[in-house]
Amino acid sequence: GESVGLHLPTLSVQEGDNSIINCAYSNSASDYFIWYKQESGKGPQFIIDIRSNMDKRQGQRVTVLLNKTVKHLSLQIAATQPGDSAVYFCAENMGGSTLGRLYFGRGTQLTVWP
Amino acid sequence: EPEVTQTPSHQVTQMGQEVILRCVPISNHLYFYWYRQILGQKVEFLVSFYNNEISEKSEIFDDQFSVERPDGSNFTLKIRSTKLEDSAMYFCASRVEGGKETQYFGPGTRLLVL
Repeated sequence: GESVGLHLPTLSVQEGDNSIINCAYSNSASDYFIWYKQESGKGPQFIIDIRSNMDKRQGQRVTVLLNKTVKHLSLQIAATQPGDSAVYFCAENMGGSTLGRLYFGRGTQLTVWP
Repeated sequence: EPEVTQTPSHQVTQMGQEVILRCVPISNHLYFYWYRQILGQKVEFLVSFYNNEISEKSEIFDDQFSVERPDGSNFTLKIRSTKLEDSAMYFCASRVEGGKETQYFGPGTRLLVL
């Protein structure tokens, strides 16, 4: 069954606002998580990752938060821009997968309005 | 910036025909993967490959599928006798050797089986 899911399938925000995309996972053995962005007709593009020994990691305009207690992951995008419009996937790597097989959620469609 | 490349970008084939999808991973990467994404669905793992052998495969990766690294740069996915349900985007990914590291995806090959 699915071990990674998203709370909301779509999210619409105004340009300049902050966006928060959520992800739930059910496998407590997962120890590595990645957020990918997928634009129409393209492959998943790496945004940011986090290991299970961390609670928070920041990148350029993005922050990932990991709450292992409730098995929840979120991606925060600051000052969202029209170019951020895409489908966002969280992916998890369960401990024990030798080469790091990734399990993807269904994705959240982020739409940014000017 | 190095990228994973894939050819062809689109492939249309008749049911029962063989197809070969090609990938050139990032040059210093040693772990290779194939994933697929049926239209509107999540990205699904097919197979991982390291040191010239399959490391892990999913239930999707049956006897009709095979992978090969014929030379030092290419990584191929062969579907021996395509079925209608094989229609999907096929993504190649690669990453460096080591523990938890990010997988970088190619742009995908859109396969349509008629």
